[in-house]
Amino acid sequence: EVQVVESGGGLVQPGGSLRLSCTASGFPFSTYWMSWVRQTPGKGLEWVANMNPGGSEKNYVDSVRGRFTISRDNGKNLVYLQMNSLRAEDTAVYYCTKGGHLDYWGQGTLVTVSS
Amino acid sequence: DIQMTQSPSAMSASVGDRVTITCRASQVISSHLAWFQQKPGKVPKRLIYAASTLESGVPSRFSGSGSGAEFTLTISSLQPEDFATYYCLQHNSYPYSFGQGTKVEI
Repeated sequence: EVQVVESGGGLVQPGGSLRLSCTASGFPFSTYWMSWVRQTPGKGLEWVANMNPGGSEKNYVDSVRGRFTISRDNGKNLVYLQMNSLRAEDTAVYYCTKGGHLDYWGQGTLVTVSS
Repeated sequence: DIQMTQSPSAMSASVGDRVTITCRASQVISSHLAWFQQKPGKVPKRLIYAASTLESGVPSRFSGSGSGAEFTLTISSLQPEDFATYYCLQHNSYPYSFGQGTKVEI
């Protein structure tokens, strides 16, 4: 059974940092793209970033490029999202998703950026 | 960047109705489009990929069509469990982008 579980969300002040983690199981993790998507409270979905299986290709939405970094550890079936210089508009539920085309989603972790 | 525009943004429908949701891309995206369903308080679930391929386990009353820049999601006979918000996603070019969503209400 495919499982994707996010962790690391919480309350952080503007300008602060947070690292989200995502543990995956039930599929050959090292052969899959992995992605992050976020959803602001009561609003729509925004694709944030993805990474290829080997970690050599990373793509970002413009609003986070230079502040967020996606990475992975294929030995541990983990994917990370390092978020720096956080802003109020980064407040959202962050979903880790299997595949480049988002075929399976975790339950999400809430990130709140507020003073 | 590619903009995805869904219509309508919201709609009221009844059980048994045929429902059609449209997604228009600001550029040609071939068939690189997926549809997602999100029920209140739940995680989005992919229903259709490659514009018209039904995800395993998704009821056959759901169908997708289109290519190029205009796509549709059709529910042939709306069921009570189908009341949700539906999103399209283009994955033709980066940054990937979602439509704003279509809320299907009773």
